[in-house]
Amino acid sequence: NAGVTQTPKFQVLKTGQSMTLQCAQDMNHNSMYWYRQDPGMGLRLIYYSASEGTTDKGEVPNGYNVSRLNKREFSLRLESAAPSQTSVYFCASSERRGDEQFFGPGTRLTVL
Amino acid sequence: GNSVTQMEGPVTLSEEAFLTINCTYTATGYPSLFWYVQYPGEGLQLLLKATKADDKGSNKGFEATYRKETTSFHLEKGSVQVSDSAVYFCALSDLTGGFKTIFGAGTRLFVKA
Repeated sequence: NAGVTQTPKFQVLKTGQSMTLQCAQDMNHNSMYWYRQDPGMGLRLIYYSASEGTTDKGEVPNGYNVSRLNKREFSLRLESAAPSQTSVYFCASSERRGDEQFFGPGTRLTVL
Repeated sequence: GNSVTQMEGPVTLSEEAFLTINCTYTATGYPSLFWYVQYPGEGLQLLLKATKADDKGSNKGFEATYRKETTSFHLEKGSVQVSDSAVYFCALSDLTGGFKTIFGAGTRLFVKA
């Protein structure tokens, strides 16, 4: 039982490059989330998915897109990376929205 | 709207000291309250939770009591260890907020041997 897995663990991009962060959970959870964590800013919700086939914007969605590929997987895409997107990105899941969340180990992204 | 306020850190304690990290909240309904812990280089993990007034959540020697009259959920531990060094996040979720989870800014704890 791996819980929530994220790939890659580290990534360096140049401004304007694109990439997709992958997330998968094996707990049969309905809800999944993408957060970014910046020093002094706490956790900020980028997008969430209440169930398979649905996605909604969170607090800071600009510059990001998401795909809930199936119940297990929820990916985050940066179409044209900017230095302001340098951050640590966490994926999380929960049985239902508002329940205890289970977090992945994070992806540390640097945009030069 | 709903919000969570927790004490600013860092908090630095010696091993075996008593720990309190304050957390207060604003919510229009009856929220569930959580404490999460983040160890260096890892994601957050649930430490404890409480779902109704006067409930006490506890885990690994940590405790927090849901106080509706003071809208607080302070985290306490009687004797901290070096291994408790981490960042602690208070959080709430509430029906009136669409069950959106609101996280506090986090409090970093350093425990010295």
